[in-house]
Amino acid sequence: NAGVTQTPKFRILKIGQSMTLQCTQDMNHNYMYWYRQDPGMGLKLIYYSVGAGITDKGEVPNGYNVSRSTTEDFPLRLELAAPSQTSVYFCASTPSGQGKSQPQHFGDGTRLSIL
Amino acid sequence: QKEVEQDPGPLSVPEGAIVSLNCTYSNSAFQYFMWYRQYSRKGPELLMYTYSSGNKEDGRFTAQVDKSSKYISLFIRDSQPSDSATYLCAMSVLYNNNDMRFGAGTRLTVKP
Repeated sequence: NAGVTQTPKFRILKIGQSMTLQCTQDMNHNYMYWYRQDPGMGLKLIYYSVGAGITDKGEVPNGYNVSRSTTEDFPLRLELAAPSQTSVYFCASTPSGQGKSQPQHFGDGTRLSIL
Repeated sequence: QKEVEQDPGPLSVPEGAIVSLNCTYSNSAFQYFMWYRQYSRKGPELLMYTYSSGNKEDGRFTAQVDKSSKYISLFIRDSQPSDSATYLCAMSVLYNNNDMRFGAGTRLTVKP
């Protein structure tokens, strides 16, 4: 049981380049999330999706785009990479967004450096 | 002022010690409180989940919520080297996860 899988694990980009961070889950979860984790700042929600075809902005969406064409996949797109987007990115999923015992299952992250 | 404040540590204790990890928050509307454990180079994993005020115990772990003081705690009894990790507090207003706010994390090392 793979859970939430993120690729790549590490990446170095030049300013202005674009890339897609991949996230896939095999638990048939409806809700998926993208977070960034910066030192001393905690996890911040970038975008989330409540199901295929439905996405919405989180706390820090600027500079990012997402799509959700299938239940399994939730890619995060950076169009014009900036140094401020250097971070560790985590994807997470839950069976649904509601419920007292609905822990978020996290992937192991993508470490992205923009130089 | 950050919405959720957490002492980043690092915190180093001997094996067998009782560990106390804490977070304070400013939004009185938070109702759902969580503690996550994050090992190095891994994603966070949920340890404890509490709703509103009170205590919750799970094995060696106890979570406390004091809404009147806007203060939450995680206690680890009989700490083990395998408990060495970063501990994140998280909280939300709504019944879903879309507005969750995380603390910056406290790095804990338990020495044998």
